[in-house]
Amino acid sequence: TQLLEQSPQFLSIQEGENLTVYCNSSSVFSSLQWYRQEPGEGPVLLVTVVTGGEVKKLKRLTFQFGDARKDSSLHITAAQPGDTGLYLCAPARLGNQGGKLIFGQGTELSVKP
Amino acid sequence: DTAVSQTPKYLVTQMGNDKSIKCEQNLGHDTMYWYKQDSKKFLKIMFSYNNKELIINETVPNRFSPKSPDKAHLNLHINSLELGDSAVYFCASTSGGGNEQYFGPGTRLTVT
Repeated sequence: TQLLEQSPQFLSIQEGENLTVYCNSSSVFSSLQWYRQEPGEGPVLLVTVVTGGEVKKLKRLTFQFGDARKDSSLHITAAQPGDTGLYLCAPARLGNQGGKLIFGQGTELSVKP
Repeated sequence: DTAVSQTPKYLVTQMGNDKSIKCEQNLGHDTMYWYKQDSKKFLKIMFSYNNKELIINETVPNRFSPKSPDKAHLNLHINSLELGDSAVYFCASTSGGGNEQYFGPGTRLTVT
């Protein structure tokens, strides 16, 4: 059983602050996806990272895949209330089976105006 | 247009009852999933179907039985509901392994 940890589990910040959340594992992944789930809705894909060391930017969000493809981080610059939600990482293991996603426990982010 | 839809949105029922949740996707995807999200927001896969064929069946009690009448629909029937079945159930679909999964809005099941 792979161990997938997201940290922090909860984060409450003021509008305009910067933050970073992490997704760590001891396993190597062929790719990793980040999803955001807003209250009362299903998760929505933000980004997929594939290459070790890859950095992708989505407006104020910066995603990085670790060089060894075992970990990833999400950095948000100047957070806004609209960024509030549950951030989930979901790596795909090597030899992916039927598109199975194993989600981390998530980081619950609350951005207060 | 709704991509992945689920019915009902909320379901409150008593222990021992049998209930079904329905899911439909209009994205033309071949693969559909059921996930369970518990009170701690942990999202765990339950089943996966590809072209109406069961390909993933995690350790789920036999009381849960998925059925896929066609590749656009995946329903979940639950027999003899228990308190621990209370959770939010999400349906999702994808065009292929490792690709983006599109989630439905969820069905909040409360067993009393």
